[in-house]
Amino acid sequence: SQQGEEDPQALSIQEGENATMNCSYKTSINNLQWYRQNSGRGLVHLILIRSNEREKHSGRLRVTLDTSKKSSSLLITASRAADTASYFCATDAKETSGSRLTFGEGTQLTVNP
Amino acid sequence: ETGVTQTPRHLVMGMTNKKSLKCEQHLGHNAMYWYKQSAKKPLELMFVYSLEERVENNSVPSRFSPECPNSSHLFLHLHTLQPEDSALYLCASSLTFWSGGSYEQYFGPGTRLTVT
Repeated sequence: SQQGEEDPQALSIQEGENATMNCSYKTSINNLQWYRQNSGRGLVHLILIRSNEREKHSGRLRVTLDTSKKSSSLLITASRAADTASYFCATDAKETSGSRLTFGEGTQLTVNP
Repeated sequence: ETGVTQTPRHLVMGMTNKKSLKCEQHLGHNAMYWYKQSAKKPLELMFVYSLEERVENNSVPSRFSPECPNSSHLFLHLHTLQPEDSALYLCASSLTFWSGGSYEQYFGPGTRLTVT
């Protein structure tokens, strides 16, 4: 089974609007992380939320975690054209030793100016 | 800049060639990773090194051979690749692998590999 499935696969919004992306996973986790990737580039870490946390903020980013539903959401407020990128959630499963991340397929966000 | 560099950025090779990808991290991290990113597929973890010791080999074909001479450098040696090996190869590092804590990974820009 695949961890970290993002929803939607693609999202197109206007500048200034909020963007919400969701992630579901299947096993117990130590933490969940969100990453951003500009086209053909490496991933950039955005935010990490631990399994005992429910919400975390960083600038215009807000991440929630619901371990009972095995889901997380990433909210980007007041979006900008520069936010256009792919966004991935990644889970660090509790059942495995060591820190391994399992990534989802990502949400492609397009912010139109 | 994330503190992780990769060379080359682009590589085109024939199926009979031998080439190597290089990764270097300037962050003082103890763990380094190789990932493969193919179109329409999630990132696939290939190898993990912790303090120069390989701790993960995710059923990767032997035509991919990793090397970690020290905790700052990681190589991926390639030989007799197949066209389906064409992908973006990403290197990453994190503070540690075995701590049981939660650490983010820092990624390099990737090497775009095309096998002809």
